[in-house]
Amino acid sequence: DTAVSQTPKYLVTQMGNDKSIKCEQNLGHDTMYWYKQDSKKFLKIMFSYNNKELIINETVPNRFSPKSPDKAHLNLHINSLELGDSAVYFCASSQGTSGVTDTQYFGPGTRLTVL
Amino acid sequence: GQNIDQPTEMTATEGAIVQINCTYQTSGFNGLFWYQQHAGEAPTFLSYNVLDGLEEKGRFSSFLSRSKGYSYLLLKELQMKDSASYLCAVRGGGSYIPTFGRGTSLIVHP
Repeated sequence: DTAVSQTPKYLVTQMGNDKSIKCEQNLGHDTMYWYKQDSKKFLKIMFSYNNKELIINETVPNRFSPKSPDKAHLNLHINSLELGDSAVYFCASSQGTSGVTDTQYFGPGTRLTVL
Repeated sequence: GQNIDQPTEMTATEGAIVQINCTYQTSGFNGLFWYQQHAGEAPTFLSYNVLDGLEEKGRFSSFLSRSKGYSYLLLKELQMKDSASYLCAVRGGGSYIPTFGRGTSLIVHP
């Protein structure tokens, strides 16, 4: 039983293209996240979303946009891809936002390569 | 924001004990997490500390001193499969979203 799943696992595309990464969690969690992990393995928050609030890291370019059709899904859309977008993107979810209940469960990651 | 510092890399011998340190600076501290990440895989939760002291979970223990802005992860009876990156993450600054350190790459050799 996959708790947090992402598709695709690998994504290779050309500069300037638009692409999406899908994320689904079957844990019944209220909060979902997108992280970017660069070549130096630094895990940086991009977005956090629950059914009430979207929190955006202000350093994320507006070419990136999260879309949540329902509580179990948080997809990531990227417009006009650039070379610097190459990284591993992790989706995560947590039950709540305080205490140990906000322990995050991560998806397997999507390795994006922009050529 | 939070400043989090961890050693970049550590090596240890199978069967030994290793301590991975994490120091942080934040306002309104509200919890510290340790995650393990094997190469090419997702981070997985190891431990959570919000009060001072030691939390023990099998071979892994995590310690927190809020006054010193310091935590460590202690791994006992090291196994080869413990070779991984260990990420310290701190929640504070009024945000519920933890900020991750750069991680410590642990290499366990025979």
